Amino acid sequence: QQPVQSPQAVILREGEDAVINCSSSKALYSVHWYRQKHGEAPVFLMILLKGGEQKGHDKISASFNEKKQQSSLYLTASQLSYSGTYFCGTATQGGSEKLVFGKGTKLTVNP
Amino acid sequence: GAVVSQHPSWVICKSGTSVKIECRSLDFQATTMFWYRQFPKQSLMLMATSNEGSKATYEQGVEKDKFLINHASLTLSTLTVTSAHPEDSSFYICSATDLAGAKFHNEQFFGPGTRLTVL
Repeated sequence: QQPVQSPQAVILREGEDAVINCSSSKALYSVHWYRQKHGEAPVFLMILLKGGEQKGHDKISASFNEKKQQSSLYLTASQLSYSGTYFCGTATQGGSEKLVFGKGTKLTVNP
Repeated sequence: GAVVSQHPSWVICKSGTSVKIECRSLDFQATTMFWYRQFPKQSLMLMATSNEGSKATYEQGVEKDKFLINHASLTLSTLTVTSAHPEDSSFYICSATDLAGAKFHNEQFFGPGTRLTVL
């Protein structure tokens, strides 16, 4: 079952914040976040494992609420380089890490 | 992070020919590699899971005889698109992970992708 991402697209001005959500109808083992720029492969951002984990580096952080079966990606003080399409990939069991990706959220950061 | 390479970056071929795409993990041993295809402005669709030394596991709807996958070593997996047709034109991306190692915690690292155009 493909996770649902929201919003589908968001436009920001440099310095503004954004939140991207990823929800699943199934219990999740882990959530993986990636950013993809046009014509390029996805770049790994972070992985959140079962257990109410939160993580971050630089000004990008994420949380995982396993009870709600959802994860959120937080981008603060956005930079132009944050532009791209963000995908969440979900795994329902550990050991195989077969991921099902959401449809993506297109983020555009303007000067 | 880890580095995964793909070769070629792009390929244009005639209908009916076969195309081989290589995926290599450069600085770690990949126990598992995944092959995805992505159509323009769409999500990544998993085609198959490839484990070193065993047969690949294909997702529903993916023809295993058309998309041949070989994972001959812990650093190399290949995808061969046989008898390619225009509808096979897509962006093919591999990812690699080391489930047995302690260096990475199940992260998947993606190769740069291969754009296939079938005329």
